[in-house]
Amino acid sequence: EVQLLESGGGFVHPGESLRLSCAGSGFSLSTYAMGWVRQAPGKGLEWVSIIDASGGTTYYADSVKGRFTISRDKSKNTVYLQMNTLRAEDTAVYYCAKDAVDCSTANCYNFFDYWGPGTLVTVSS
Amino acid sequence: DIQVTQSPSSLSASVGDRVTITCRASQSISTNLNWYQHKPGKAPKILIYAASTLQSGVPSRFSGSGSGADFTLTISSLQPEDFATYFCQESYSTSYTFGQGTKLEIK
Repeated sequence: EVQLLESGGGFVHPGESLRLSCAGSGFSLSTYAMGWVRQAPGKGLEWVSIIDASGGTTYYADSVKGRFTISRDKSKNTVYLQMNTLRAEDTAVYYCAKDAVDCSTANCYNFFDYWGPGTLVTVSS
Repeated sequence: DIQVTQSPSSLSASVGDRVTITCRASQSISTNLNWYQHKPGKAPKILIYAASTLQSGVPSRFSGSGSGADFTLTISSLQPEDFATYFCQESYSTSYTFGQGTKLEIK
């Protein structure tokens, strides 16, 4: 059974750093792209970052570019999100998600098929 | 960046009703559009991908349609467990932009 579990959330002050971890089980995390999505209190889902299966290509939302870094450790089947220079607007529940690809037709389609339960990050003075 | 506009932002309906939620992208995204269901305190759940492909295990009362820039999620006969927030997401770009969400409430 595929499972994802985030950890590392907590309370920090503005300007501080935090590293989130996402441990996968039931599948090889190195075979799939993995992403982070967040939901601020009372807001919708916001895509944050994604890393490809090889770990060589990463993308970031403009709101976190230059401050957040996504990485993966294949030996630990874990994906990380290093968050630096945190701001109050980064307060959210952070979810990691496994990227699935369906290429059964002429085109390939990506979607997040498994998600973790989320970890809360609170940034406040 | 691609913008995704979802409507309505909230919707009241009764068990057994047919409901429709729409998403409009700021440019053509072919059929690279996904729909998720999200309940408080739980992980989001994929319902439909590629605009109209039902994810395995999802009840057939859920259906999706559309291509280009306009898409629709339809629930043919609402069940009590369907009251949740629904999000669309484009997967055409590398930004995977989500719509703002539609909160489906019991009337």
